[in-house]
Amino acid sequence: GENVEQHPSTLSVQEGDSAVIKCTYSDSASNYFPWYKQELGKGPQLIIDIRSNVGEKKDQRIAVTLNKTAKHFSLHITETQPEDSAVYFCAAKVTGGGNKLTFGTGTQLKVEL
Amino acid sequence: GAGVSQSPRYKVTKRGQDVALRCDPISGHVSLYWYRQALGQGPEFLTYFNYEAQQDKSGLPNDRFSAERPEGSISTLTIQRTEQRDSAMYRCASSLVSGEDTIYFGEGSWLTVV
Repeated sequence: GENVEQHPSTLSVQEGDSAVIKCTYSDSASNYFPWYKQELGKGPQLIIDIRSNVGEKKDQRIAVTLNKTAKHFSLHITETQPEDSAVYFCAAKVTGGGNKLTFGTGTQLKVEL
Repeated sequence: GAGVSQSPRYKVTKRGQDVALRCDPISGHVSLYWYRQALGQGPEFLTYFNYEAQQDKSGLPNDRFSAERPEGSISTLTIQRTEQRDSAMYRCASSLVSGEDTIYFGEGSWLTVV
């Protein structure tokens, strides 16, 4: 089955700096790659996603890049703010696998003032 | 409802007891999913339904775990003869249509088996 690895497990940045979180996946059939933000005591919330037919997608301060050949994708957050502090999860879905998302182990992002 | 609602939010049970966790998906959502999330880990797929039909239960760890969605709306995840290793956050999610990529998670039910 699909295996998703995520790095780093913790990331601390200064407010205003950029943050990058990287994930790799194992199954070349995966075609959908969402990123979720999980705040303390809350459920994961979708913040951005990318499909295998594009290489990059941007939404204001967040962007995601996908390299299908290398089977890795990354989340980029620019101009970080304290409210960006949370746990971020990447995930991958295999074509024809229903909606069976395979998640990474998460990155605890801390934005310091 | 406005979001995916789960109950109870917290449950402490003794080893060997049965537990039922409830999920009320977003109104009108066809697909409903159960995931389990251990501390420090990402959610792990358990099972999912389209309407009342269970489409995939490959993630259920063993036969002590079962789920149902008899009327295609509310779902119950039941764990029989609970064990300490069952302690985790159990998350429900739903999506508007079958195959829809965007799924919405509830706040979860935190189960502790003592």
